Amino acid sequence: NAGVTQTPKFQVLKTGQSMTLQCAQDMNHNSMYWYRQDPGMGLRLIYYSASEGTTDKGEVPNGYNVSRLNKREFSLRLESAAPSQTSVYFCASRFGSLGGGELFFGEGSRLTVL
Amino acid sequence: QQQVKQSPQSLIVQKGGISIINCAYENTAFDYFPWYQQFPGKGPALLIAIRPDVSEKKEGRFTISFNKSAKQFSLHIMDSQPGDSATYFCAPSYNQGGKLIFGQGTELSVKP
Repeated sequence: NAGVTQTPKFQVLKTGQSMTLQCAQDMNHNSMYWYRQDPGMGLRLIYYSASEGTTDKGEVPNGYNVSRLNKREFSLRLESAAPSQTSVYFCASRFGSLGGGELFFGEGSRLTVL
Repeated sequence: QQQVKQSPQSLIVQKGGISIINCAYENTAFDYFPWYQQFPGKGPALLIAIRPDVSEKKEGRFTISFNKSAKQFSLHIMDSQPGDSATYFCAPSYNQGGKLIFGQGTELSVKP
């Protein structure tokens, strides 16, 4: 039972480079989320997808794009990385239906932008 | 608006003591009130959650108290242990999905 799988786990980029963080869940969840976590800043929502085919901005969407490829996969793209995007990124998912409020997290992707 | 305010930011408790963390929210339509626990290097995981039709829920040493009129809920950790040292987050939301904002987090340290 894999749960929520994120790749890569670690990445170092130079300013201006682009990259995509991949996330896949095998729990048949409807809703998927991307968060970033910085020291002292808690978990901040970047984008979310309430269901397949929909995406919405969260608290800190600037500099990011997302794609809900299918029900299982939700990717986060940095088009032109900046040092301010150095962070730990977490993907999460939940059923998003009655009784399905619990959020399940991946192990995180640690990104450093030089 | 989905403001979530969590306090305190950090907490130091002696082993065997009681840890109390509070969460205030604004959206009266929320119907799911969880606390998540995060250890260093790991993703958060659900610790305990409550629905708005009850005022208290207890699971072992962990209790949620819910005050609907005050739009607040709190986490009580009884007989705190060093293994409880972690960061705790509240994340009130709609049970049926949608936007999910976390509180700022509380770093708990339990001293032996």
